[in-house]
Order: sequence, then C-alpha cells, then structure tokens
Amino acid sequence: ETGVTQTPRHLVMGMTNKKSLKCEQHLGHNAMYWYKQSAKKPLELMFVYNFKEQTENNSVPSRFSPECPNSSHLFLHLHTLQPEDSALYLCASSQGEVGTGESPLHFGNGTRLTVT
Amino acid sequence: AQSVTQLDSQVPVFEEAPVELRCNYSSSVSVYLFWYVQYPNQGLQLLLKYLSGSTLVESINGFEAEFNKSQTSFHLRKPSVHISDTAEYFCAVSEGTGNQFYFGTGTSLTVIP
Repeated sequence: ETGVTQTPRHLVMGMTNKKSLKCEQHLGHNAMYWYKQSAKKPLELMFVYNFKEQTENNSVPSRFSPECPNSSHLFLHLHTLQPEDSALYLCASSQGEVGTGESPLHFGNGTRLTVT
Repeated sequence: AQSVTQLDSQVPVFEEAPVELRCNYSSSVSVYLFWYVQYPNQGLQLLLKYLSGSTLVESINGFEAEFNKSQTSFHLRKPSVHISDTAEYFCAVSEGTGNQFYFGTGTSLTVIP
C-alpha cells in the first residue's frame, strides 16, 4: 500500500479539454513533486512544493498549472494539451528540511495520460 | 547539475544467475545515491540508498549497491535473481542542497525462467 495516492489512474482527454490530476500523501511529508515519465527518457521534474510554497518550476509549459492547497494535497490542472504530453505523471513526496537531499522520494502509482 | 548514466537499457538474465546494473553520475561533490524499482503499472519504490558511512548498502530482498567515489559509480548487484525481480530499475542522485533529484533513463531487468 502506497502512502501517496493518485487519481485518476488513467485519463484520456482531447486537446481542448480541461482536466485535473490529484495527489494526496498520508506520510506527513512537507515536500511534494510532480514528475513526467516518458519512455526511454529520465524522469522530468516539473514542479516542487515545500510547505505549500512552489520552489521549482522547470520551464514547464503554461498548459500545466500546479496547485498545492496544503502539505498533503497536490493538483495538476491540464488545459489545451498536445499529443506529446501523453505520458505517465507521477506524484511524489519527501520529508526533510529545505536544502537537504537526504530524504528519499515516495511515489504514487501515477496517472497514465493520453492526449488525443 | 548532475547527470546520471545507466548504460544498459535492457538486461536479460536467467533465474538464479547474478546480475549487475550499472550507474554512473557526473559530479564528485557530496551526493546522496538511490536505487528505485518500478513494477508494471506502478510508481517507483525505494530499493536502497547511500547517505554516508559504509559504502556498501543492502536492501531487504537481497540487492546491494556499492558507492565508489573515485569512479563516481553506484552499481546495483544481486547474486541470484528471481522471476519476481523482473522490473525497471532507476538510479537517482541528489545533492546536499535543494530538492532536486536526478534520475537515469532506467534499466529493464528481465529474469528468464
């Protein structure tokens, strides 16, 4: 059983749709992440939140919009996506003070997104 | 920024044979090292980690990895694999600052009966 829950598990959307991915962590962690996983490519960090504040935004297109209302919940709002955005989107959390990389990431099972 | 190299994209191995999955990273600054495993239709799970101390770290299911600072490597090994070890394995590196984790492209381990 994972301490990080992602919904939905699968999502098919057209390029004009608006949808949201949800992530919830039950581990008491204070940092949450969105990663994009595409075949044969390294995991791409999209966004990082520490104590609800966004600390990283790795040049992600504006059609992806994150929201972190509290330390346990993270959303990724999607609109006007492109077919190349089809991928597995992984949420993760970690415990640790800002500025340390010791705390490992705990991942959810991901949302498989297909843009048609 | 770090770069993490996993040279072997696919590794087939017979059941009960030994296996080594290679991982090299780019920088020799102080780093923390991790191996994650991903089973089909699941997220990544932490397999083992090196933070400090003994350079040889072990997991509960028989995997081990050795930190080699001079070669900037963190290779994963298991002396005898099982069918259930079939999965994708990712090496990751983080530095002492920030919340940035750098991942390799993964190695697909297939255990053949």
